[in-house]
Amino acid sequence: GEDVEQSLFLSVREGDSSVINCTYTDSSSTYLYWYKQEPGAGLQLLTYIFSNMDMKQDQRLTVLLNKKDKHLSLRIADTQTGDSAIYFCAAGGYSSASKIIFGSGTRLSIRP
Amino acid sequence: DARVTQTPRHKVTEMGQEVTMRCQPILGHNTVFWYRQTMMQGLELLAYFRNRAPLDDSGMPKDRFSAEMPDATLATLKIQPSEPRDSAVYFCASRDSNTGELFFGEGSRLTVL
Repeated sequence: GEDVEQSLFLSVREGDSSVINCTYTDSSSTYLYWYKQEPGAGLQLLTYIFSNMDMKQDQRLTVLLNKKDKHLSLRIADTQTGDSAIYFCAAGGYSSASKIIFGSGTRLSIRP
Repeated sequence: DARVTQTPRHKVTEMGQEVTMRCQPILGHNTVFWYRQTMMQGLELLAYFRNRAPLDDSGMPKDRFSAEMPDATLATLKIQPSEPRDSAVYFCASRDSNTGELFFGEGSRLTVL
């Protein structure tokens, strides 16, 4: 079945760039999402990319997609303490009838 | 400001009791998802609906869980009887069919003693 995988933890120094990686198995995935979850809160949509794009940039966030390898990454430039959270990758099909599958989340911690 | 609304935000109950969680999707979103988040399993898809019809509920324990959409403004997830292993945060999300964006509610934190 469909699967989305992420590493569980990432620690970076404040001011450095963070890169969170994700792989997915369903080659028909059309929408690839990144969400942020802060403690005790819901999931906040950060950004998403269509499968016909290689890159999307939004302020400090850059998403890269390698469709051939089914690999997605989220780069956060100039990482700040407020970026500490769990980041989820998700993959879904084009149709509104498609399921959307989430990875297990990557916990990002920031070192001073 | 359109948002997905879930109730209750917190629920503590005893084993064997019935629990009902409710979700109001964003108006106009015709696909609604239920997810469960636990430390061990991450974010699991339980069930989802399009135009109020169930499309897939294979992620749900069938003997005790049921999900319905009585109308376009309400989705429910019921557990009867509840068990301690059902303790988790249950999220509802609705999808904008035009943009593909998926929006989450704040979740219902369930504790079964």
